[in-house]
Amino acid sequence: GAGVSQSPRYKVAKRGQDVALRCDPISGHVSLFWYQQALGQGPEFLTYFQNEAQLDKSGLPSDRFFAERPEGSVSTLKIQRTQQEDSAVYLCASSSRLGAYEQYFGPGTRLTVT
Amino acid sequence: DQQVKQNSPSLSVQEGRISILNCDYTNSMFDYFLWYKKYPAEGPTFLISISSIKDKNEDGRFTVFLNKSAKHLSLHIVPSQPGDSAVYFCAASARNTDKLIFGTGTRLQVFP
Repeated sequence: GAGVSQSPRYKVAKRGQDVALRCDPISGHVSLFWYQQALGQGPEFLTYFQNEAQLDKSGLPSDRFFAERPEGSVSTLKIQRTQQEDSAVYLCASSSRLGAYEQYFGPGTRLTVT
Repeated sequence: DQQVKQNSPSLSVQEGRISILNCDYTNSMFDYFLWYKKYPAEGPTFLISISSIKDKNEDGRFTVFLNKSAKHLSLHIVPSQPGDSAVYFCAASARNTDKLIFGTGTRLQVFP
């Protein structure tokens, strides 16, 4: 498929565990974004990459959250010492142009922290 | 502080009629607006967008209207179809930033 893919689709973690969420953007897309969507809310911005450079991480809720995109393609969002409030759907989006404009979203990873 | 607001959590429309979804924003720095549609267990799908230099953009059954003085935009779907039943999100971006700010969504149900 040519769309954005994310894995795993569902993740259950015990409180205190570390998790890693993967995003494969559309091939050739320069920009990559991570969003967090809580139940009944709209997606909220976490962080943004242009190629391998992380240009904005203002939305990361704490230093337990870390994202990387080392080769400018696949990205990983890591959450250390998960807490119950981290339970949400984590969405990845990519864009072919610099700047926000039309972003194309993956299906998301639903994280449940028990 | 909700910068993008969708005050109607749900809307029910008969098939063939017009659906009008509304969105208000507070940040005058927003210069690009988008509508996304979301089905359950899927990511948001881009529908249509509009730049702040325009007041209307049309794509098939979908038209977005922007009223900058009122800081209001709306999405018109005509004619509505049952397959349009989904949650619709309004989103905005500000000059010189890259992130999208989303509203809380409106659930549209189109019934036969």
